[in-house]
Amino acid sequence: DTAVSQTPKYLVTQMGNDKSIKCEQNLGHDTMYWYKQDSKKFLKIMFSYNNKELIINETVPNRFSPKSPDKAHLNLHINSLELGDSAVYFCASSQVGTSADTGELFFGEGSRLTVL
Amino acid sequence: AQSVTQLDSQVPVFEEAPVELRCNYSSSVSVYLFWYVQYPNQGLQLLLKYLSGSTLVKGINGFEAEFNKSQTSFHLRKPSVHISDTAEYFCAVTRRSGGYNKLIFGAGTRLAVHP
Repeated sequence: DTAVSQTPKYLVTQMGNDKSIKCEQNLGHDTMYWYKQDSKKFLKIMFSYNNKELIINETVPNRFSPKSPDKAHLNLHINSLELGDSAVYFCASSQVGTSADTGELFFGEGSRLTVL
Repeated sequence: AQSVTQLDSQVPVFEEAPVELRCNYSSSVSVYLFWYVQYPNQGLQLLLKYLSGSTLVKGINGFEAEFNKSQTSFHLRKPSVHISDTAEYFCAVTRRSGGYNKLIFGAGTRLAVHP
């Protein structure tokens, strides 16, 4: 009964390839996020979707394209992978704009992407 | 915009000693504050949060934090640490007002507990 689940947990690929990471949450939240954690452990928000609508889009290269088929799923597709894309990508969810909105994010276990 | 500064990148401490991990934030609006913990090769787990009310917040695993508005700080403390507390600790802030939560993280503090 994992709350926020990501697949795959590990991903090793060559430069130039295209890859996707999938995320699903069963918490009934309406907002989902992608964060990137670099090799120095720094966490930075990339995207956020609310009810399938993109609401936060930080300065992320166009090679990164999030897709939210419904409010329980948020996938991340990366084209033409580069060495600098190697990182751990975390999916998270939260509930916004209701009495349950405490600002808290619930995180998945992360997907470690290694680009060779 | 909000920002978070964690004043120590690494904190070594002996088992059963007390520890304080320091966090300062900057914001022009009211905020919610959080501490998350990340154990090796795992995701982020919420330790505690400050939303309103009492400035002393108690969390899981014996941790507590104190919100100090005048000093814009939210330091994390534990009176006696265990080896199992070795992890990366992140302070985070988000604006209080409604809307979409952009949780901003500090750079993290690596707590290393030695026997």
